[in-house]
Amino acid sequence: QKEVEQDPGPLSVPEGAIVSLNCTYSNSAFQYFMWYRQYSRKGPELLMYTYSSGNKEDGRFTAQVDKSSKYISLFIRDSQPSDSATYLCAMSAITDSWGKLQFGAGTQVVVTP
Amino acid sequence: DAGVTQSPTHLIKTRGQQVTLRCSPKSGHDTVSWYQQALGQGPQFIFQYYEEEERQRGNFPDRFSGHQFPNYSSELNVNALLLGDSALYLCASSVRANSGANVLTFGAGSRLTVL
Repeated sequence: QKEVEQDPGPLSVPEGAIVSLNCTYSNSAFQYFMWYRQYSRKGPELLMYTYSSGNKEDGRFTAQVDKSSKYISLFIRDSQPSDSATYLCAMSAITDSWGKLQFGAGTQVVVTP
Repeated sequence: DAGVTQSPTHLIKTRGQQVTLRCSPKSGHDTVSWYQQALGQGPQFIFQYYEEEERQRGNFPDRFSGHQFPNYSSELNVNALLLGDSALYLCASSVRANSGANVLTFGAGSRLTVL
């Protein structure tokens, strides 16, 4: 079993819809949670960074962490065709002083005009 | 402000050959990490360098080695290439002094094809 599970999709939504993405994990030591966006043939770009449980909002993006359920989510409101990309969740443990990130496999999102 | 730059962007090798990939970190960053991303998969941690020393290593064989130079740039070397080494190799940089998680800035990657 992988430490981080993420549905690969593809997830297709119409423009303006809410995109809902999630990851589950098994390592209870994970304390830092991130979402990266990766366009085709590009490197991942950090979107959201959250420490421990709770919600964080940045513009159209909302990240949620539920440590009791080992479940994290990313919501994208008012989705645009430019949001079409692969979204990767990533996490690391506070005990890992060098901060190795454990990534999910990524979910491909397609926003259709 | 230049971000993380990697070279070459694409390369093709044959089995058994050796390859060297290069990375220049973002200005102000002192830590370099390397990740391997196979097609359709998330990045897998190879190793991380700080102060010219390998500080942490993922589950990769000794065929994968690296180096960090005094200017913080880094190289990834892979010996005795296998078909399974075909992947996008990502370099990421960060600032060690920052508290909290290792928030990484990634380059665009070097796509390696092994024939």
